[in-house]
Amino acid sequence: DAKTTQPPSMDCAEGRAANLPCNHSTISGNEYVYWYRQIHSQGPQYIIHGLKNNETNEMASLIITEDRKSSTLILPHATLRDTAVYYCIVRDNNNDMRFGAGTRLTVKP
Amino acid sequence: EPEVTQTPSHQVTQMGQEVILRCVPISNHLYFYWYRQILGQKVEFLVSFYNNEISEKSEIFDDQFSVERPDGSNFTLKIRSTKLEDSAMYFCASQGQTYNEQFFGPGTRLTVL
Repeated sequence: DAKTTQPPSMDCAEGRAANLPCNHSTISGNEYVYWYRQIHSQGPQYIIHGLKNNETNEMASLIITEDRKSSTLILPHATLRDTAVYYCIVRDNNNDMRFGAGTRLTVKP
Repeated sequence: EPEVTQTPSHQVTQMGQEVILRCVPISNHLYFYWYRQILGQKVEFLVSFYNNEISEKSEIFDDQFSVERPDGSNFTLKIRSTKLEDSAMYFCASQGQTYNEQFFGPGTRLTVL
């Protein structure tokens, strides 16, 4: 029942930017887009979130299209330690998060 | 940096036994969650807890499951009579305010034999 669509897997060369797309065409006006990642079987790790404006923090940048129907997570200089499953999640009104299958990003040397 | 902790890291139990998974959320957080992840599958929402009561639960969270915040610091998930299909990683998460990020613990791996 996830509201997002992501490619199942992507590769990226070490040191290059990783651009992970997400479609959320049914997003409502007050729903946020969140990105988390999961390395091996560890607990999901928060990366970034946004509503309509582009956001940047020490980990990544989030680019949200003007119609808010899609977004892109950018890891500017991917390292081997960024290999993980990346989840794009639309946060619904009752504050809960529903995970999809995510994108398995493999950073290669 | 504050973090969510969970104990035990690994719990092995016999089918039909009761288990209690424990979590210590980040101090001053107001929202608490349990998720599970069966090996090789996606993370599934179980239940959310706010103001000392369940605010939302999924279809997975049936009468065999219960949650409690017994002492203002711990947050527990109890499975009354475990089944083989309850074998999974169980993650606790806490959140400070509405629409803030959730912080996840390292998980408890539950194995039901």
